[in-house]
Amino acid sequence: KQEVTQIPAALSVPEGENLVLNCSFTDSAIYNLQWFRQDPGKGLTSLLLIQSSQREQTSGRLNASLDKSSGRSTLYIAASQPGDSATYLCAVGGAGSYQLTFGKGTKLSVIP
Amino acid sequence: DTAVSQTPKYLVTQMGNDKSIKCEQNLGHDTMYWYKQDSKKFLKIMFSYNNKELIINETVPNRFSPKSPDKAHLNLHINSLELGDSAVYFCASSQRMQDSPLHFGNGTRLTVT
Repeated sequence: KQEVTQIPAALSVPEGENLVLNCSFTDSAIYNLQWFRQDPGKGLTSLLLIQSSQREQTSGRLNASLDKSSGRSTLYIAASQPGDSATYLCAVGGAGSYQLTFGKGTKLSVIP
Repeated sequence: DTAVSQTPKYLVTQMGNDKSIKCEQNLGHDTMYWYKQDSKKFLKIMFSYNNKELIINETVPNRFSPKSPDKAHLNLHINSLELGDSAVYFCASSQRMQDSPLHFGNGTRLTVT
């Protein structure tokens, strides 16, 4: 059974800092990995999707990497802004399975 | 234009009642999902439909019954509500089953008293 862990559970940084969020998973037989952000009282917004054959994906100030063999992914946020404050969730799509397994998220606060 | 919309946003009801949550997507996606987010913010899939066909049916009490009248709609009906059903329920959709990003609705906060 796939388990997804995100550390830390919460993170507070001053505006302008670069930061890394971590995601680890127990079963390396994955199809893809997605990063989402969730704002309070809202649904999830897809940020990046990495297929199992890829090593990284970039979108603007965001860069996500994937190391299947070690069961890890990181989300790098450059030059953080207060608008980046949200909960970031990692979700793993299992090979041969149609479902995503979510981590519990990292709550990010960017202090102006 | 809201891509994935679900109604109602809030639902407060008593134990034993039957309620429905509606979901519609205007993205032309083939696949729709229902997720449950519990009080600890843990998201877990409940159901998935692809082209109106049930694909995933996780270990969910049979009091929960999804209905997909067409590709753009996936409604969730819950019978005999229990206190433990209180959670936020999210509808989502994707172009395809496995290799497409998910698009989520804003959630329905269900409170059972």
